[in-house]
Formats: sequence, structure tokens, C-alpha cells
Amino acid sequence: RKEVEQDPGPFNVPEGATVAFNCTYSNSASQSFFWYRQDCRKEPKLLMSVYSSGNEDGRFTAQLNRASQYISLLIRDSKLSDSATYLCVVNLNTGGFKTIFGAGTRLFVKA
Amino acid sequence: NAGVTQTPKFQVLKTGQSMTLQCAQDMNHEYMSWYRQDPGMGLRLIHYSVGAGITDQGEVPNGYNVSRSTTEDFPLRLLSAAPSQTSVYFCASSYLPGQGDSGANVLTFGAGSRLTVL
Repeated sequence: RKEVEQDPGPFNVPEGATVAFNCTYSNSASQSFFWYRQDCRKEPKLLMSVYSSGNEDGRFTAQLNRASQYISLLIRDSKLSDSATYLCVVNLNTGGFKTIFGAGTRLFVKA
Repeated sequence: NAGVTQTPKFQVLKTGQSMTLQCAQDMNHEYMSWYRQDPGMGLRLIHYSVGAGITDQGEVPNGYNVSRSTTEDFPLRLLSAAPSQTSVYFCASSYLPGQGDSGANVLTFGAGSRLTVL
């Protein structure tokens, strides 16, 4: 089983739609959690950190459920510029620190 | 502030050749890592380091060597390139928990190196 699993998509949505991405992680000792965005042929960049209390950044809302080992990202009022791959990321700090990525979920927003 | 610098951006090798991908960061990050990205596979961790003189294997280490003689540099070596190593390689760095500010260990990536092995 992969340490971080995501639905690969692709998700094809019209502009203005709300779309949700899910992610699960297998190591209960995972320490910190993030969503990264990757544009085609570019390096990944941080979209937002994810906290148990939930956090919002404009049209983006991230949620963490430690009991279920589940992370989510909600995008409201999708824009064409939101088209990208969204990567779920987990930091582990047991027996050494390392950062593990999910395979990513591809989003296409169409006019 | 240059961030993470990777070289070369593009490289074509023949099977059996060796090469080194360079990675340097100027943010005093203790944690550095190498990933490869293949279509549909996401980023897979090759090797990582939590400080000078300390390295460890990720999920796909075979065929790659690393060393960390300084905090700034973390080169990735391919000793005998194989077509299966054709990929895009990313170097990334971050603070460790408790190091630096409360930046929550966010990774900063280099721009990537596209390697083709014929």
C-alpha cells in the first residue's frame, strides 16, 4: 500500500464549479500535511498547509481528519487558472524525517 | 536569494554512462531530498538527508548514490545510467522540525532536471 494515496482523476469541471479532492495516508505518526500545486512541466509549489481545525485561503479550504487519516481540499468557484495537478503531501518524523507525496490529482477547468 | 538551484536542466545520456545532478540551496535548510517524477507516478523519493554527513534511502534508491558533505549541496549520482532512469528529477529542501521559523517544514523545489537515457 502506498503511504499517501489520491484519486488520480482527471477531474473535468466547468468554470464556477466546486470540486473536492481526497487523500489518505497510512502512517499514523505523520506529523504535518500540505497540498501542493504543480503546473505542467513545472516544479511543485505549496498551495496550503492543512490543520486539524481546518483552514481556508480564499476559494480553497483544506481539512485534516487524523482519526481517519484523511485529508481533503475543496476548491470553490473554479477558475480556468486552477487547472493543474494537486499533490497531497505528508511529513513523517519517525525514525528520521522525510516528506512523501501522493501521485497527484489532475484538474481541468473548462470555460 | 537563489533558493534551490539544480543543474543541468536537460541531459541526454547513453546507457552505461555516469553523471551527477547538482543541487544547491542557500537557505540553511537541514533537510534536502531528491525525487523523480514519471507520468502517472507522482513524485517518488529517491534519497534524502537531514544534515551534512547524513543520508538515507527513499522508496526508489536503486541505481542512485548521494552524499552530503556540506549543508548547501546534495548531488545525485547515476553510476551506470539505464533507460528506466529516464525521468524528471527534482531536488527540494526544507527546515527540519524545530529548525528556523515555524514554516512548518515546507519544501522549496528546484526547477527540475530532465534526463533521457538512450
